[in-house]
Amino acid sequence: KAGVTQTPRYLIKTRGQQVTLSCSPISGHRSVSWYQQTPGQGLQFLFEYFSETQRNKGNFPGRFSGRQFSNSRSEMNVSTLELGDSALYLCASSLTGTAYEQYFGPGTRLTVT
Amino acid sequence: AQSVAQPEDQVNVAEGNPLTVKCTYSVSGNPYLFWYVQYPNRGLQFLLKYITGDNLVKGSYGFEAEFNKSQTSFHLKKPSALVSDSALYFCAVKEVNRDDKIIFGKGTRLHILP
Repeated sequence: KAGVTQTPRYLIKTRGQQVTLSCSPISGHRSVSWYQQTPGQGLQFLFEYFSETQRNKGNFPGRFSGRQFSNSRSEMNVSTLELGDSALYLCASSLTGTAYEQYFGPGTRLTVT
Repeated sequence: AQSVAQPEDQVNVAEGNPLTVKCTYSVSGNPYLFWYVQYPNRGLQFLLKYITGDNLVKGSYGFEAEFNKSQTSFHLKKPSALVSDSALYFCAVKEVNRDDKIIFGKGTRLHILP
């Protein structure tokens, strides 16, 4: 079974631009969650989608948004990028949600200059 | 509000010695508790979880964790450390029966010295 895939793996953007990251979950997994990983803050939950509906949201500004498609693939969008958005963005999938084992993708390394 | 703390940014252990990575949590009700590991240049991997039942949970790679409700702790342990255990370890908590988000700790870097 193929693992969680994320594209692109690396991205360099300029402050003020927007970016879209993509995540393909493990086949059969209906829950997709997004996390931001930085050295200072560790792993912070962004949001979780289940069957195309946002089920939970972390404490991030509205510039961070996401969606999930009918095939469970998910996208995350960050608008008006700031320098502080530079981070590793991780996507994780699970059968039913974050209360169960999550399988993480390799991440997208976003650098904002 | 739920929270999780990993009080040590880094833990150094000699190979062959027992290791402990500490985690404490706070939830209003009962917790789901997790440990995940991030090896260098590899993705985060699930190690183990506590939902209910036996307080000692066994996981992958010889790791185990002990749930202590009175101390609100969920420390990760291994009887004999390997150099290959060197990695970044994350503890996480989610409250049972509430549709709340999962909270991860800031991580503890474990260095196993040969």
